[in-house]
Amino acid sequence: NAGVTQTPKFQVLKTGQSMTLQCAQDMNHNSMYWYRQDPGMGLRLIYYSASEGTTDKGEVPNGYNVSRLNKREFSLRLESAAPSQTSVYFCASSEAQGGGYGYTFGSGTRLTVV
Amino acid sequence: GQSLEQPSEVTAVEGAIVQINCTYQTSGFYGLSWYQQHDGGAPTFLSYNALDGLEETGRFSSFLSRSDSYGYLLLQELQMKDSASYFCAVRDSGNTGKLIFGQGTTLQVKP
Repeated sequence: NAGVTQTPKFQVLKTGQSMTLQCAQDMNHNSMYWYRQDPGMGLRLIYYSASEGTTDKGEVPNGYNVSRLNKREFSLRLESAAPSQTSVYFCASSEAQGGGYGYTFGSGTRLTVV
Repeated sequence: GQSLEQPSEVTAVEGAIVQINCTYQTSGFYGLSWYQQHDGGAPTFLSYNALDGLEETGRFSSFLSRSDSYGYLLLQELQMKDSASYFCAVRDSGNTGKLIFGQGTTLQVKP
């Protein structure tokens, strides 16, 4: 099993450019999440999708949009990138009830906005 | 608001025991989880406590006291490969599985 696959692994954007981060899981999980990780800030939730067809804002949603394309795929879009969005982005998935089964994380996308 | 507090850094020697504490304040509580992250890698799930008490998984144990809003991760027989960041996380909703993470504790294991 591949688990959670994120693409791309690295990306450099110019301020104002747009891009979509892709995430796919093959574990038949219902819930999917996007986090960003900055030095000393831990993991902060951007958006999540508790089940196919639903999405909700997390702690830091401004500047981002998401699409739950189907049960497997959950994409994160930056419409107009800003230097403050330079970060490592992690996608994760879990069983519907989450905690007891744990999250499975992708390997991350390292994004630099210049 | 929601917040989790854990020490930023802990140092221990190989073979020793180390405890990483976590205190939390959340609007709802459905369990405390622990994750390990090696430098440059993805976080990986270690343990989950929904009820008070100690859960043991090999060299790692996790403890929860809901009345004190407190938990800890205990690592025994430390190995060099245990050098990593450790995050506590609380699940604040019964339906979404959404986790709120602490800022992480960097554990350095010295020979």
